[in-house]
Amino acid sequence: KNEVEQSPQNLTAQEGEFITINCSYSVGISALHWLQQHPGGGIVSLFMLSSGKKKHGRLIATINIQEKHSSLHITASHPRDSAVYICAVRSNSNYGGSQGNLIFGKGTKLSVKP
Amino acid sequence: DAMVIQNPRYQVTQFGKPVTLSCSQTLNHNVMYWYQQKSSQAPKLLFHYYDKDFNNEADTPDNFQSRRPNTSFCFLDIRSPGLGDAAMYLCATSRANSRLNFGAGTRLSVL
Repeated sequence: KNEVEQSPQNLTAQEGEFITINCSYSVGISALHWLQQHPGGGIVSLFMLSSGKKKHGRLIATINIQEKHSSLHITASHPRDSAVYICAVRSNSNYGGSQGNLIFGKGTKLSVKP
Repeated sequence: DAMVIQNPRYQVTQFGKPVTLSCSQTLNHNVMYWYQQKSSQAPKLLFHYYDKDFNNEADTPDNFQSRRPNTSFCFLDIRSPGLGDAAMYLCATSRANSRLNFGAGTRLSVL
């Protein structure tokens, strides 16, 4: 069982749709990151969360520490939002190697059709 | 302006021929990371520097070495690349426990 689970693995949406990507984790964390990776490209950090909710433009990220769950929402989706969205958590213990190592989910591949 | 710069973007090397990938940053972040990412997989941390302190992941092959001569620069040396080392190599920086800033990556091919 992966320590960080994302759903769905693949998501196809029509332009303008509201999109939700979910992330559940099973370890204690100090922070959760949402990252975006375009095909063949580097990774962009979208959010870092330790509690509550953050908003940046059309993107909203929420986290529920008690339920060990986070969601990434995209409002009014656009074809340029097509990318892989990765959830990663920073453990608060010496888990999985060096302390504070990021544990990555497998990513959600989003395709937004015009 | 790019703040984490990786050179080159694409690198082709021969089996067994040493190769060096470079990363520079203008953010003055104290932590620098090297990740390996293979196709359709999550990035895998190879090592990171916390200031000058080098932290090697337990499962990083000895074939991979790193140098950080100063705050701004970090190098990944692959002493004898094998076919299995073909991947995207991502450099990232952060202040301690804050958001990561990734470079565009270097895609390594091994012939």
